[in-house]
Amino acid sequence: AQSVTQLDSHVSVSEGTPVLLRCNYSSSYSPSLFWYVQHPNKGLQLLLKYTSAATLVKGINGFEAEFKKSETSFHLTKPSAHMSDAAEYFCVVSGGGAARQLTFGSGTQLTVLP
Amino acid sequence: DGGITQSPKYLFRKEGQNVTLSCEQNLNHDAMYWYRQDPGQGLRLIYYSQIVNDFQKGDIAEGYSVSREKKESFPLTVTSAQKNPTAFYLCASQPGQGGQPQHFGDGTRLSIL
Repeated sequence: AQSVTQLDSHVSVSEGTPVLLRCNYSSSYSPSLFWYVQHPNKGLQLLLKYTSAATLVKGINGFEAEFKKSETSFHLTKPSAHMSDAAEYFCVVSGGGAARQLTFGSGTQLTVLP
Repeated sequence: DGGITQSPKYLFRKEGQNVTLSCEQNLNHDAMYWYRQDPGQGLRLIYYSQIVNDFQKGDIAEGYSVSREKKESFPLTVTSAQKNPTAFYLCASQPGQGGQPQHFGDGTRLSIL
């Protein structure tokens, strides 16, 4: 069994300040973890993925995430927020098995203030 | 460019009517998925298919049906048995190797007339 908890449903930051979106997971397997971003009325776009290589993962648009097994966390960060970062972000775990199914967090809505 | 195409972007259903949402991919991916997205609830899996002519129910399959006659196509039918079909529907595909991310289409928004 696997699950994902996104600790904040809404995060608001000022433009140019750091972004932190928090995610905790549980998995019976050695997990693959992903962050996706969704803009209004659009599909999900992959930001970055962790698949048991380096624990610090760099993604697109300046985002990165660190896999911490001891804390079962995979928090998403960005040093400086841009207005275009305003969107909904999903933390996702893939726990393996034949179905290769994903388990999605409930999402974090990021607001960027001018 | 390779990707996933969902159509139509907006769809309206009358009471008692079945409607079909299209999903086509040219990524040569083996697996395809249908999700339903409601506000504040993330994504919930409706059906998935790992290979042509085979598909499995997800968490909320009641009131929906699918087919997988071709590798590139995975249409979803929302039947009249689905009493609350208003939602945003997302199709995704995934390569055959384990641990790989899914690729998503831009979704279809279904509403009731």
